[in-house]
Amino acid sequence: SQQGEEDPQALSIQEGENATMNCSYKTSINNLQWYRQNSGRGLVHLILIRSNEREKHSGRLRVTLDTSKKSSSLLITASRAADTASYFCATAETSGSRLTFGEGTQLTVNP
Amino acid sequence: SAVISQKPSRDICQRGTSLTIQCQVDSQVTMMFWYRQQPGQSLTLIATANQGSEATYESGFVIDKFPISRPNLTFSTLTVSNMSPEDSSIYLCSVEATHLYGYTFGSGTRLTVV
Repeated sequence: SQQGEEDPQALSIQEGENATMNCSYKTSINNLQWYRQNSGRGLVHLILIRSNEREKHSGRLRVTLDTSKKSSSLLITASRAADTASYFCATAETSGSRLTFGEGTQLTVNP
Repeated sequence: SAVISQKPSRDICQRGTSLTIQCQVDSQVTMMFWYRQQPGQSLTLIATANQGSEATYESGFVIDKFPISRPNLTFSTLTVSNMSPEDSSIYLCSVEATHLYGYTFGSGTRLTVV
């Protein structure tokens, strides 16, 4: 069963704006990962944050993790039309274990 | 990170038939994972495939419906058996790339059962 919940389910913004997506989970985790999926194709790994980390950056991406609240957020700054995709969080209870995915956020960036 | 070749990329199948999906990895990996993504939904794990042992299935998935082979450390197949329209989904395989960089996914197989 899916343990992750994401909000919003859908987000529509203008190019140049920032997009924030949130993810909550229920069990203890080793790490939390964010993925992007374009039009029902394969998933692309964006960023991984470990349970002992609170924030991580990669280019225009910023991920935070609050293990006390069992939640994470993904911020995409200065969004582009090419960022239009579905974004999923996924948790791993131990390193290398199966991933449990959130429900996903459909992001639309309008040019 | 690992590169996965998954095929077929899509197929349209008649109900009652079976389809075998293949995933080839360019490096040896211990575990491979098979996921299903129903239309408009998130990914659900079907099973974990370990080389040399039977696959471990998640609740709601059974070996008779989704038999898996894992003959070596670089290859696995998932068969969707006796298909019905409810099996129409995207099926994806995945492996752990490294403990630092998350998991690598195949490009997916979009299955439509008519």
